[in-house]
Amino acid sequence: DVKVTQSSRYLVKRTGEKVFLECVQDMDHENMFWYRQDPGLGLRLIYFSYDVKMKEKGDIPEGYSVSREKKERFSLILESASTNQTSMYLCASNPGAEGYGYTFGSGTRLTVV
Amino acid sequence: GQNIDQPTEMTATEGAIVQINCTYQTSGFNGLFWYQQHAGEAPTFLSYNVLDGLEEKGRFSSFLSRSKGYSYLLLKELQMKDSASYLCAVRATGANNLFFGTGTRLTVIP
Repeated sequence: DVKVTQSSRYLVKRTGEKVFLECVQDMDHENMFWYRQDPGLGLRLIYFSYDVKMKEKGDIPEGYSVSREKKERFSLILESASTNQTSMYLCASNPGAEGYGYTFGSGTRLTVV
Repeated sequence: GQNIDQPTEMTATEGAIVQINCTYQTSGFNGLFWYQQHAGEAPTFLSYNVLDGLEEKGRFSSFLSRSKGYSYLLLKELQMKDSASYLCAVRATGANNLFFGTGTRLTVIP
């Protein structure tokens, strides 16, 4: 079974802090994604990566950056956390071939105070 | 642009059948996915449709009509554990990512 592991289940950070959310997948998948999920808004794509060191902006990239130095690891960085970034963050991966959906990590619920 | 519509909430009785509809508009189409998400947990994959017709997997079936931009998820013999949110997601032509609807929260009552 593909496993996508997010390093923290719950995080509480202060406004202005730099925050790192880590995601690791163990099945050599090409594509990795970061979404945030908010009530009434569903899942919204922040960034995705289709190869090492490659990244593309999603629908809501402002206030975020990403890093993919190794194929298995995709990090989401909040440069200066703000209260409107309080959310559930979900990492996902897929092999890149057609017909494959995502495998999601268990999510990180981030609260910015 | 992309747009996906699905009902916000539905309630159904244990043992019954429920149909959750999803309509979409995308710039090209390359597959539709259904996910189940229990409260506080990550979404898990249920089904995939890329051609018109019905895909059946045990108690769950998913239907697609590309000409109508329409899909539904059919859940039979409902169980209490089926209470969850059901997410419809579409992949546009040439895209690596999925675009998600806001989800339908299903409550199964005794």
